Amino acid sequence: SQQGEEDPQALSIQEGENATMNCSYKTSINNLQWYRQNSGRGLVHLILIRSNEREKHSGRLRVTLDTSKKSSSLLITASRAADTASYFCATVGTNAGKSTFGDGTTLTVKP
Amino acid sequence: EPEVTQTPSHQVTQMGQEVILRCVPISNHLYFYWYRQILGQKVEFLVSFYNNEISEKSEIFDDQFSVERPDGSNFTLKIRSTKLEDSAMYFCAGASLGGTDTQYFGPGTRLTVL
Repeated sequence: SQQGEEDPQALSIQEGENATMNCSYKTSINNLQWYRQNSGRGLVHLILIRSNEREKHSGRLRVTLDTSKKSSSLLITASRAADTASYFCATVGTNAGKSTFGDGTTLTVKP
Repeated sequence: EPEVTQTPSHQVTQMGQEVILRCVPISNHLYFYWYRQILGQKVEFLVSFYNNEISEKSEIFDDQFSVERPDGSNFTLKIRSTKLEDSAMYFCAGASLGGTDTQYFGPGTRLTVL
C-alpha cells in the first residue's frame, strides 16, 4: 500500500449521521493534514495534527492519530449535505514539508 | 483571511508549447510548493522551494519543469514543452514553517494540453 491511503474509497450517508474516514501511512511523519475538495475545485485545509498529538477537534471535525498503527481517522459529526466532497489525508515527513496525499474518500451526504 | 491565488484558472495550450503558471502565496510564507492532480487521481507532489532554491523535487519534475520566484511575491511553474500527459490541475501551496506547519493551497490552474 502507498503512503496515505484512505478508506473507505466512497461513503454515502444520510444528513445528520456521522461520517468516519480512515487514513493509513507507512513512514514516520512530522504531521498529518486533512483536506476537503469539492468536485473540480481546490483543496481546503481542515485540520493538522502533529505527530506528538493524539486527537484534535475543530467544530464538527474530530481527528485522531495513532502513530504506533500509522493511522489517522477523520470524524464528521452531524453531517450536512454541504459536507459532500472528497476528503484527503496528507502526511508530511520532512522539514521541507512535502505532502504525500492519499487517494481520498468520496463522501456523499444525502439530504 | 489571506489566500493563495493562482492565475490563470484555466489554460489551454497546444502540445509542445511553453506555459507559465502563476501563484501569489500568502505574504508571510517562506516555503512554497507545486502539486498536480490528474483528473480522477490523487494529488502528486512536484517540487518544494525555500530560500530561492529547490528543496526537493519528485520524479515528475524533470528538465521540462522549472520554478522561479522572480520578484519576492510571485511563484511560477514553467513547463517548457507541454505534453498531452501534462494535462492536470496544478496547485500552488505555501507554509510559513515548512514541515511543521499547515500548507495552504491555491484554487488551482486547470491545464489542458491539446
